[in-house]
Amino acid sequence: SQTIHQWPATLVQPVGSPLSLECTVEGTSNPNLYWYRQAAGRGLQLLFYSVGIGQISSEVPQNLSASRPQDRQFILSSKKLLLSDSGFYLCAWSAGWAGVGEAFFGQGTRLTVV
Amino acid sequence: AQTVTQSQPEMSVQEAETVTLSCTYDTSESDYYLFWYKQPPSRQMILVIRQEAYKQQNATENRFSVNFQKAAKSFSLKISDSQLGDAAMYFCAYRSKGNQFYFGTGTSLTVIP
Repeated sequence: SQTIHQWPATLVQPVGSPLSLECTVEGTSNPNLYWYRQAAGRGLQLLFYSVGIGQISSEVPQNLSASRPQDRQFILSSKKLLLSDSGFYLCAWSAGWAGVGEAFFGQGTRLTVV
Repeated sequence: AQTVTQSQPEMSVQEAETVTLSCTYDTSESDYYLFWYKQPPSRQMILVIRQEAYKQQNATENRFSVNFQKAAKSFSLKISDSQLGDAAMYFCAYRSKGNQFYFGTGTSLTVIP
């Protein structure tokens, strides 16, 4: 069966420090991968998605970047965190269009920038 | 980007009663998926129900059913026989042909004992 791992679960970082959140998927190949941010009491904002290695699409221009160094690994990064980067970050994966349609989510990372 | 609108920030329902959550979306695509996800206080996203746009029949999963009106771009969720465990944030989501998933702002459901 497929599983998705996201870490760390909680992170407190000072303003101006770098960020690296990691997400890996097991039990499937060539998944579509996603990073979302959820502000407190708000909906999910799509930040980045990838349909294959080296293919990263950004939905919202901002202080963050994403990379996909391996087929089932998706990394969210920042060189210098801002206070506004605080939030709950979710990684997700989906199969191709002909497969099961839904997205499967990791447990999330609660990021607090101080 | 497609937009998904949930116009009810909060809803409440008596235990064992029925409640309907609303969702509308904007798209020019003819083929897509729609979903309802549940997010309990743990913040884990849980799939409730899915609907494929080319299927005219409304999806059902036990106590959960949808009213899919493709022409009106409407996708509501009905929860029957509401239970205390149904209390959560509910998100409507749209999957495009380009494989992006877009979410609404959510409806917080309270179940009153």
